[in-house]
Amino acid sequence: GAGVSQSPSNKVTEKGKDVELRCDPISGHTALYWYRQSLGQGLEFLIYFQGNSAPDKSGLPSDRFSAERTGGSVSTLTIQRTQQEDSAVYLCASSLNPAGNTGELFFGEGSRLTVL
Amino acid sequence: DAKTTQPTSMDCAEGRAANLPCNHSTISGNEYVYWYRQIHSQGPQYIIHGLKNNETNEMASLIITEDRKSSTLILPHATLRDTAVYYCIVRVDTGRRALTFGSGTRLQVQP
Repeated sequence: GAGVSQSPSNKVTEKGKDVELRCDPISGHTALYWYRQSLGQGLEFLIYFQGNSAPDKSGLPSDRFSAERTGGSVSTLTIQRTQQEDSAVYLCASSLNPAGNTGELFFGEGSRLTVL
Repeated sequence: DAKTTQPTSMDCAEGRAANLPCNHSTISGNEYVYWYRQIHSQGPQYIIHGLKNNETNEMASLIITEDRKSSTLILPHATLRDTAVYYCIVRVDTGRRALTFGSGTRLQVQP
């Protein structure tokens, strides 16, 4: 597809379970971002991948959160031992090599996570 | 990155221009002003960005004051589909950091 693809679109899980959220960025985009948005709140930065550089993990809220980006393309955000406060929409975005570019991020539709 | 201040909410009549202000009084010389919007239940969408000159594209115009301490996003003929939260973001365009979204302005276009 032409846009950023995220799956699943909706995920309901029980407290304490692990979840994996997937992001397929736009082909050729070297930068990939994960954000989360709790109900009625703004976007919270989680992690940023740029090419082969070490990711910027400064936004990850706890060590239960981790993310990988394999082959410079698809990314997986993993949340271990989920808690109710993890319930949110998890948004992925990608952009072209951001050095000197327009700064335009292309967002997916998000994965809505509900932890019961 | 410089902090931005936006009104929490605004109303605009359909067909009229919507003028959304943003204060960024601590902006530094190499920081750009970006505008994004988020329509309900969708991911944010890029609108426009600029450094110091006014910019226009098919979606909107961006007016940046001469001292660069504030800017205004203008939607020339607002439609109901422009109802959204509009985010003003200031960032150094080095490509090494993610965009930081604040609370934005909730624009309600009234019929």
